[in-house]
Amino acid sequence: GENVEQHPSTLSVQEGDSAVIKCTYSDSASNYFPWYKQELGKRPQLIIDIRSNVGEKKDQRIAVTLNKTAKHFSLHITETQPEDSAVYFCAAPWGAGSYQLTFGKGTKLSVIP
Amino acid sequence: DVKVTQSSRYLVKRTGEKVFLECVQDMDHENMFWYRQDPGLGLRLIYFSYDVKMKEKGDIPEGYSVSREKKERFSLILESASTNQTSMYLCASGYRVTTEAFFGQGTRLTVV
Repeated sequence: GENVEQHPSTLSVQEGDSAVIKCTYSDSASNYFPWYKQELGKRPQLIIDIRSNVGEKKDQRIAVTLNKTAKHFSLHITETQPEDSAVYFCAAPWGAGSYQLTFGKGTKLSVIP
Repeated sequence: DVKVTQSSRYLVKRTGEKVFLECVQDMDHENMFWYRQDPGLGLRLIYFSYDVKMKEKGDIPEGYSVSREKKERFSLILESASTNQTSMYLCASGYRVTTEAFFGQGTRLTVV
């Protein structure tokens, strides 16, 4: 199946700084790359996703970039705020037409006020 | 608002018991998933279903089975619970794997 590697596993930043989380995937046919945020004690929720026909997507302070040649994609959070503290998961489907979504192991982001 | 509801928030079961975890979604989603979440291991797929009565193994199906008799309901069954199945279990549903997955609130299962 798809192998999704996520780094770093933990990340601490000062409020106002930027945070970057990176994921690599193994299946070159994968065409959809979502990012989920899980706050403490809550369910994971989609915050942004990107499809393989674009290289970058932005939504306010959050952006995702995709490099299909290198098979990696990254989440960028600018002007971090304490409410950004959470665990972030990347994911990728197991090839085109797959029903299976494989998640990375997660990154615990702590934003220090 | 999409709702994915898991039948229990917390469960404590004894080793060897048969355990049923229930999940219901109200958005007519074709796909439903069961994940297990453990610290440092992320979300690992146990089983998924893309249609009524259809099921596929995920990455860690051993010791589990599933049932999907109706489109809105997807059940995870631990045939004989063991202590290494103590974990947080998350159900999710979605139209396709390339669209948003909606998660339930999770069931924290403790096997003693």
